[in-house]
Amino acid sequence: EDQVTQSPEALRLQEGESSSLNCSYTVSGLRGLFWYRQDPGKGPEFLFTLYSAGEEKEKERLKATLTKKESFLHITAPKPEDSATYLCAVQAYDNYGQNFVFGPGTRLSVLP
Amino acid sequence: ETGVTQTPRHLVMGMTNKKSLKCEQHLGHNAMYWYKQSAKKPLELMFVYNFKEQTENNSVPSRFSPECPNSSHLFLHLHTLQPEDSALYLCASSLDGPGGEKLFFGSGTQLSVL
Repeated sequence: EDQVTQSPEALRLQEGESSSLNCSYTVSGLRGLFWYRQDPGKGPEFLFTLYSAGEEKEKERLKATLTKKESFLHITAPKPEDSATYLCAVQAYDNYGQNFVFGPGTRLSVLP
Repeated sequence: ETGVTQTPRHLVMGMTNKKSLKCEQHLGHNAMYWYKQSAKKPLELMFVYNFKEQTENNSVPSRFSPECPNSSHLFLHLHTLQPEDSALYLCASSLDGPGGEKLFFGSGTQLSVL
């Protein structure tokens, strides 16, 4: 069974204090690993897709990396507007590749 | 604006009511999804439609009934719900294809069952 776990459950950072969020996964044939950001009262918003171990993607203060067992979302010098819940999801080749399995998320708070 | 619109944004219903959630996407996608998001739990996939055909029913109780009249519209019909069905219901769409395709989500319907 495909599974995704995320740690920590919640993270509080001071503005400018860099850190990393972890996503660990088990999947039978990884089609893609996805990072989403979710603000309160809104649906998740796509950030990155990673397809193979060693791949990295960057967007502003965020950088996502992928190994065969986990992914990290590195946040460099975060700002208060980066506060949100960050979700990780995997998509497997089975089941026509349409079943995205999500992790429980990491709730990030960046204090000014 | 993500191109996926859900109505209503909030819904309060009694256990004997019948209501429907609506989702519309203007992205030209062919796959549409219903997800349930409960507090402190991962998003749970409920239904998947690909080109109007249901390809996934993730053991969802029959009190939830999906309908997909075309590739742009998706409904979730609700009847005789239970208080534990209170949650955020999210609609999403994707362009199916090889290599993985990202999901585009609506803002969700916050459902409260009394």
